[in-house]
Amino acid sequence: SQQGEEDPQALSIQEGENATMNCSYKTSINNLQWYRQNSGRGLVHLILIRSNEREKHSGRLRVTLDTSKKSSSLLITASRAADTASYFCATDESFKTIFGAGTRLFVKA
Amino acid sequence: DSGVTQTPKHLITATGQRVTLRCSPRSGDLSVYWYQQSLDQGLQFLIQYYNGEERAKGNILERFSAQQFPDLHSELNLSSLELGDSALYFCASSVGGGSGNEQFFGPGTRLTVL
Repeated sequence: SQQGEEDPQALSIQEGENATMNCSYKTSINNLQWYRQNSGRGLVHLILIRSNEREKHSGRLRVTLDTSKKSSSLLITASRAADTASYFCATDESFKTIFGAGTRLFVKA
Repeated sequence: DSGVTQTPKHLITATGQRVTLRCSPRSGDLSVYWYQQSLDQGLQFLIQYYNGEERAKGNILERFSAQQFPDLHSELNLSSLELGDSALYFCASSVGGGSGNEQFFGPGTRLTVL
């Protein structure tokens, strides 16, 4: 079963716009991670947020975590065509890393 | 380049056959993870090894087995292959074995079962 579920499943925006993706999970977590995958390639780690953190920034990425709602969001600001990829949230459940179904982001130049 | 290598890149085989996928983790990483990615099932965690010992087991079929060797490379063995086993198989590695470790993914092995 999926621990994290992303929403929306797909998102298409213009270059320069912001993209927001959401992730919901079911059980208590110690941390939540976001990964990116370019088509058919290996995943790349973007950012980790711990359960005692509410917000974290890394470059154009902003991640929030609301443990009371069991949800997280990833915001990519000033998107670029190169941001076109799938984005996944991941949580740990008894040492098993559980990935959500992912959000497919398409940024039009 | 993540530093994780996987061989082979592509594998085409027939139903009923057995294959072995190989993974070399990043230098210094003690944990190795295996994942299966397919269109209908998404990215599924299969198994994790830490310093040669099995750490966690996910949705890994009995027909599949894995091990991590003393030099820390890992192999995933898939036997009695079925059409539904066609997928991308990823290996990832991390320094530690616990929660919250950044995982570095290899380029994957694309398995096609005909």
